[in-house]
Amino acid sequence: DQQVKQNSPSLSVQEGRISILNCDYTNSMFDYFLWYKKYPAEGPTFLISISSIKDKNEDGRFTVFLNKSAKHLSLHIVPSQPGDSAVYFCAASRTYKYIFGTGTRLKVLA
Amino acid sequence: GAVVSQHPSRVICKSGTSVKIECRSLDFQATTMFWYRQFPKQSLMLMATSNEGSKATYEQGVEKDKFLINHASLTLSTLTVTSAHPEDSSFYICSARDQKNVWDTADTQYFGPGTRLTVL
Repeated sequence: DQQVKQNSPSLSVQEGRISILNCDYTNSMFDYFLWYKKYPAEGPTFLISISSIKDKNEDGRFTVFLNKSAKHLSLHIVPSQPGDSAVYFCAASRTYKYIFGTGTRLKVLA
Repeated sequence: GAVVSQHPSRVICKSGTSVKIECRSLDFQATTMFWYRQFPKQSLMLMATSNEGSKATYEQGVEKDKFLINHASLTLSTLTVTSAHPEDSSFYICSARDQKNVWDTADTQYFGPGTRLTVL
């Protein structure tokens, strides 16, 4: 049973436009959510996180939105840059153990 | 800050040998470290939680005798793949929990660069 899902395996966006990556979860007990960026053969790099008591968190070009009623979170990247091309994983946490989604490969086209 | 290193980055070994992978938190103390495994084009799967000074907690389906974990200090955890076989070939990634407060569960894990294990 996949508790954290990223239904879009890939996404292509033009440089300068907004990238929206989505993540759905099933366990309402998750209380902390994160987004990581990953290049092949490298470890994930932390991008941004959000606690379940919030519905939005912003850090520079990255904004994470949390909709608890829909059990859905999204990552917005504005403006998208070619260097953002990577695989993005969302993760959900309850008592510090992370469950990762399957990843979305983002390609930002110059 | 929050840098985690892993060594080696790549290892090739013969079937039946044991391989040790080190994970270090370089600029913070990590009472808890985690070991993940990633198969090609798949998600990261948590293998075990490594607690400093105590036994590791393994996820369901992970053989504790096959994957030995030692967390001897606040900055070092090791994963030893014992009697490795080709099916153990994978990308192994560690993370360390940068814990601000011992009771705070809303903290962030920082990941090492990963180790590519190939068992021939």
